[in-house]
Amino acid sequence: AQKITQTQPGMFVQEKEAVTLDCTYDTSDQSYGLFWYKQPSSGEMIFLIYQGSYDEQNATEGRYSLNFQKARKSANLVISASQLGDSAMYFCAMREGGETSGSRLTFGEGTQLTVNP
Amino acid sequence: GAVVSQHPSWVICKSGTSVKIECRSLDFQATTMFWYRQFPKQSLMLMATSNEGSKATYEQGVEKDKFLINHASLTLSTLTVTSAHPEDSSFYICSAPRWSGSLHEQYFGPGTRLTVT
Repeated sequence: AQKITQTQPGMFVQEKEAVTLDCTYDTSDQSYGLFWYKQPSSGEMIFLIYQGSYDEQNATEGRYSLNFQKARKSANLVISASQLGDSAMYFCAMREGGETSGSRLTFGEGTQLTVNP
Repeated sequence: GAVVSQHPSWVICKSGTSVKIECRSLDFQATTMFWYRQFPKQSLMLMATSNEGSKATYEQGVEKDKFLINHASLTLSTLTVTSAHPEDSSFYICSAPRWSGSLHEQYFGPGTRLTVT
């Protein structure tokens, strides 16, 4: 069975600094996908970044990058130059199967990020 | 713009009544949609997988007779909470996978906040 673990219930960062949100996963699948979503207080799920299990390079999307360490089964999210608007809940999620699979996501417990001015 | 919509965005109902929540894919067809439930300060938990033209697949512990799912068209799935009780009060979110050309991206609806009094 798949499992996603986020060990940081809450994180604080100073505005303009970088922060790393941890995520480890466990799966027996060879093909899988890892996602990070941001959920502000409004509740909407905002897609941030995706990493496929066969991608050799770490994914990057603007200020977001994913530190993918396959052997360690970790997929940490790095947010550079934090902004006040980054304050939100962040979820790591994993999809069974490869890119052509439209299967469901399993979510971690989430990390509440607070950016201080 | 939003590619998955949900209606209503919030609803208050009395204990014992039924509530229907709609999830629509706006500009793509979704043979599969997923329904999640999220309690305050918790993660998203998959309730069921909605399959167009066939029965939904429910996760362990989710009562299929209480949470009725109908996926009658390629753009609409509905979740009906029957005989709602206060413990059903939660945030309900649907998602649908959409093929981007290189992978299936998961698009989430904005969620429906249900309060049962």
